[in-house]
Amino acid sequence: GESVGLHLPTLSVQEGDNSIINCAYSNSASDYFIWYKQESGKGPQFIIDIRSNMDKRQGQRVTVLLNKTVKHLSLQIAATQPGDSAVYFCAESLGGGGNKLTFGTGTQLKVEL
Amino acid sequence: NAGVMQNPRHLVRRRGQEARLRCSPMKGHSHVYWYRQLPEEGLKFMVYLQKENIIDESGMPKERFSAEFPKEGPSILRIQQVVRGDSAAYFCASSVQGGTEAFFGQGTRLTVV
Repeated sequence: GESVGLHLPTLSVQEGDNSIINCAYSNSASDYFIWYKQESGKGPQFIIDIRSNMDKRQGQRVTVLLNKTVKHLSLQIAATQPGDSAVYFCAESLGGGGNKLTFGTGTQLKVEL
Repeated sequence: NAGVMQNPRHLVRRRGQEARLRCSPMKGHSHVYWYRQLPEEGLKFMVYLQKENIIDESGMPKERFSAEFPKEGPSILRIQQVVRGDSAAYFCASSVQGGTEAFFGQGTRLTVV
């Protein structure tokens, strides 16, 4: 069946460096992708989204890149801060946002001082 | 504007008891989604509801699990005759009709002893 998976389970970066978290998806029909941040004991927090008709979208300190050819999604965090330490999930859906999401397994980002 | 409210935050049940998890969506949101998260795993879709209607329950176990979203009041996820394997964090999300972003609650952590 369709799945969304992440390449690296844990990513350690130095404070101030840039972070790149990768995600592979298998359902070529998915047209909406979201990155969530989840801190320990909390619910997922929306970071940034992108639709399949785009290949790049930027937010505050974050950029999402979508490569539909190889079905790859990445999240770039600029100038990583200790507060960025969390588990990051990519998710995909069909039919636009607000529909059911298929989540990846998550990447633990650890920011070292 | 309060976010998605889930209660209780923590719930302990003995095997064979019933668990009732409540979710109040954000104001103005008419779509509710339930997800289950096992430790160190991604969220798994369970059910998608609108007021008084189940839209998609493809992720719900066939037995013991049920969900409702009545015209008045919160959405309820009900688990009958709980077993230890039901121990997990259960998250609720809501979105506006035709919206693009699902907002998550803080979750209910169910422990079956």
